Amino acid sequence: NAGVTQTPKFQVLKTGQSMTLQCAQDMNHEYMSWYRQDPGMGLRLIHYSVGAGITDQGEVPNGYNVSRSTTEDFPLRLLSAAPSQTSVYFCASSYGGTGGYGYTFGSGTRLTVV
Amino acid sequence: AQSVTQLGSHVSVSEGALVLLRCNYSSSVPPYLFWYVQYPNQGLQLLLKYTSAATLVKGINGFEAEFKKSETSFHLTKPSAHMSDAAEYFCAVRSSGATNKLIFGTGTLLAVQP
Repeated sequence: NAGVTQTPKFQVLKTGQSMTLQCAQDMNHEYMSWYRQDPGMGLRLIHYSVGAGITDQGEVPNGYNVSRSTTEDFPLRLLSAAPSQTSVYFCASSYGGTGGYGYTFGSGTRLTVV
Repeated sequence: AQSVTQLGSHVSVSEGALVLLRCNYSSSVPPYLFWYVQYPNQGLQLLLKYTSAATLVKGINGFEAEFKKSETSFHLTKPSAHMSDAAEYFCAVRSSGATNKLIFGTGTLLAVQP
């Protein structure tokens, strides 16, 4: 049982380049989310999905795009990288419903935009 | 909108001393509350969660938290700190509504002095 798998672990981009951060889970979780972590700001929600084909914006969605074509995968696309997007990105997944389930996190992608 | 506030971005304790990390929440509906721990260069690990079953919640590694509705608090405690407890701790609130978004506080970095 791999849990939540994120690739790559590290990435350096030049300003203006685009890339996709991959996230896959094998727990049949309905809910998936992307967060960015910056010093002193905690984890901020970028985009989230409540099921295949359904996505919505979090608190910091600008410059990012997502899609959810399958239950397992939730890629995050950076359309035109900017230095302000230098951060650590975490993908997380959870069961839905009213059970108060916790989210399971991936190990993160450390992105530097130069 | 739901939110959490963590008082104290840095907390330092001596080994063997009480650990108290503060979290206050804001929620218009009954909340689910979580504490996560992040060790250096790692992802987030669930310490414990409150889902309305019991107000005193016990988690891993000897941590516990008490839900106090009158104070809108969910403080994390451990009777005796260990060097291995040094990490960053995040409080989070999850909506019991349809979106189930998980919203984090800004984190508290715990240092344990020998």
